[in-house]
Amino acid sequence: QKEVEQNSGPLSVPEGAIASLNCTYSDRGSQSFFWYRQYSGKSPELIMFIYSNGDKEDGRFTAQLNKASQYVSLLIRDSQPSDSATYLCAVLRGGSNYKLTFGKGTLLTVNP
Amino acid sequence: DTAVSQTPKYLVTQMGNDKSIKCEQNLGHDTMYWYKQDSKKFLKIMFSYNNKELIINETVPNRFSPKSPDKAHLNLHINSLELGDSAVYFCASSPRGLDTEAFFGQGTRLTVV
Repeated sequence: QKEVEQNSGPLSVPEGAIASLNCTYSDRGSQSFFWYRQYSGKSPELIMFIYSNGDKEDGRFTAQLNKASQYVSLLIRDSQPSDSATYLCAVLRGGSNYKLTFGKGTLLTVNP
Repeated sequence: DTAVSQTPKYLVTQMGNDKSIKCEQNLGHDTMYWYKQDSKKFLKIMFSYNNKELIINETVPNRFSPKSPDKAHLNLHINSLELGDSAVYFCASSPRGLDTEAFFGQGTRLTVV
């Protein structure tokens, strides 16, 4: 079982729609969860993180975490063509074996 | 000021050669990583260092040898390069903590021919 799994996509949504990105993880010791965005040819950059069960909102972005189901998601409201990128889910295990593990990413395309 | 800088940005080399990629961060972070991103965009962790000490080695072939002379630098040396080593290599750094952002370098695109 892969440590962090995401639908590879591509996911295509019209401009103004809600894009929903999903991620599951296998390590129950994971403590924090991150969403990174990566434009083609660029480095990943952080969108937001979450470490408590429930929802966390930041502008048009909402992260949702369910530790019992080992599931984390990202909702993008009012999607814009500039949101077109690969979205990487990452999980952090703290402690002595501090490790940030990424999923394979979901390619999102927002069509004007 | 660049927070995490990698050199070179592009590297084209022949099979069997030995090459190095350098990484430096000026953020004062304790943790540094090397990731390999293949053509399918999978960002796979290779190594994790904390304060110059190796913490994680994700079953990387021993042709890959990281070196951290101090906590601001983490270099990657690759011996006997193979075609399958072609990828983009990212260096990243972060503070310790559960709510901390990892900052990435611009990546090094390695092409082995």
